[in-house]
Amino acid sequence: GAGVSQSPSNKVTEKGKDVELRCDPISGHTALYWYRQRLGQGLEFLIYFQGNSAPDKSGLPSDRFSAERTGESVSTLTIQRTQQEDSAVYLCASSLASGTSSNEQFFGPGTRLTVL
Amino acid sequence: DAKTTQPNSMESNEEEPVHLPCNHSTISGTDYIHWYRQLPSQGPEYVIHGLTSNVNNRMASLAIAEDRKSSTLILHRATLRDAAVYYCIHTRTGNQFYFGTGTSLTVIP
Repeated sequence: GAGVSQSPSNKVTEKGKDVELRCDPISGHTALYWYRQRLGQGLEFLIYFQGNSAPDKSGLPSDRFSAERTGESVSTLTIQRTQQEDSAVYLCASSLASGTSSNEQFFGPGTRLTVL
Repeated sequence: DAKTTQPNSMESNEEEPVHLPCNHSTISGTDYIHWYRQLPSQGPEYVIHGLTSNVNNRMASLAIAEDRKSSTLILHRATLRDAAVYYCIHTRTGNQFYFGTGTSLTVIP
């Protein structure tokens, strides 16, 4: 079946421009997560959506970062006024409803963002 | 953040067992222990998870210490396809995963 998809796969932008990254979760997965992975580093949690609850934005590094999710479907991560330190792979994951902390997360292939 | 500690790198010969250790001394009673791995240029993939008892699946085994402050991922026979970065994670709130830098496993033919 279809997994988590992300687009674009690669994005090159100039410093100061805004970018939008898209994530399509697995159908039926109510939980959706965004992570950032800098070169040679582990994943940093950014934001978490669960159903219609208010998202957990505790991992967003600055107010230039925001994310939206329409219902239980597509999510968009927006980075405004991009900086060179925003260069990274942005990974999206989805999982079934989290009643416990045991649910497996399914990751997409990521979007590689390069800010020149 | 829920912090885990793993060795930066390990090596194994092909066809031999591999034991990947992880310390998670800040784990609380309801946190699950998850292991994911990330192959080059791919997103992480699930390997195994557990709470208190040891767990086995088709990919690996997970041995959890009695005090739950450490665990070991066991690959019974390493193959070249197992070369990856292995992340040990435990959740703190909700379902957020806090990844460390993981262990880079090299499998030697």
